[in-house]
Amino acid sequence: GEEVAQTPKHLVRGEGQKAKLYCAPIKGHSYVFWYQQVLKNEFKFLISFQNENVFDETGMPKERFSAKCLPNSPCSLEIQATKLEDSAVYFCASSQGQWPYNEQFFGPGTRLTVL
Amino acid sequence: DAKTTQPNSMESNEEEPVHLPCNHSTISGTDYIHWYRQLPSQGPEYVIHGLTSNVNNRMASLAIAEDRKSSTLILHRATLRDAAVYYCILRTSGGGADGLTFGKGTHLIIQP
Repeated sequence: GEEVAQTPKHLVRGEGQKAKLYCAPIKGHSYVFWYQQVLKNEFKFLISFQNENVFDETGMPKERFSAKCLPNSPCSLEIQATKLEDSAVYFCASSQGQWPYNEQFFGPGTRLTVL
Repeated sequence: DAKTTQPNSMESNEEEPVHLPCNHSTISGTDYIHWYRQLPSQGPEYVIHGLTSNVNNRMASLAIAEDRKSSTLILHRATLRDAAVYYCILRTSGGGADGLTFGKGTHLIIQP
């Protein structure tokens, strides 16, 4: 597609439950990124993929967060045993990755609320 | 990572030009200056980027100081739709797959 699609739009989980978020990048884009926006202006980079391979996962809290990008499937971000502090908007972005024409195109985000 | 400093907020009137400053005094020679903005309840969107020369596109202009320690995003004629948080981000040359490092950005308020 021409836009990055993210589902669901909203997700509510009780503390300790699992949450799974999905992202369909723009067709033809090789790179996928996940970001977490906790407070209104504070973004945190989580992980990036080049096709189905993890490129950079330095921002991922590895104990409970995992992510995948498998061929012919939407990418996913999964949080096991959610905590209150995981409440945030999670954005997915994709890009062609060819420098310097590698602007990132963002999806509309998934708002996760952990109660 | 080289850091950027932006004012927390700015206010302007509709149909007037807006100049959004960004300081990046520790920029390295291979860093490109990128601007993104986030409209209310949306994901960020790319605005413009440059290295040394001033740049223009359909959305905005980017003026880069000669020493590259600062830059200014220029919206030539602001509309209500330009009300957003604007982020100035440095990206290292070749870092096509690197995550973006967002600062706090400038919240631009447009008065009708």
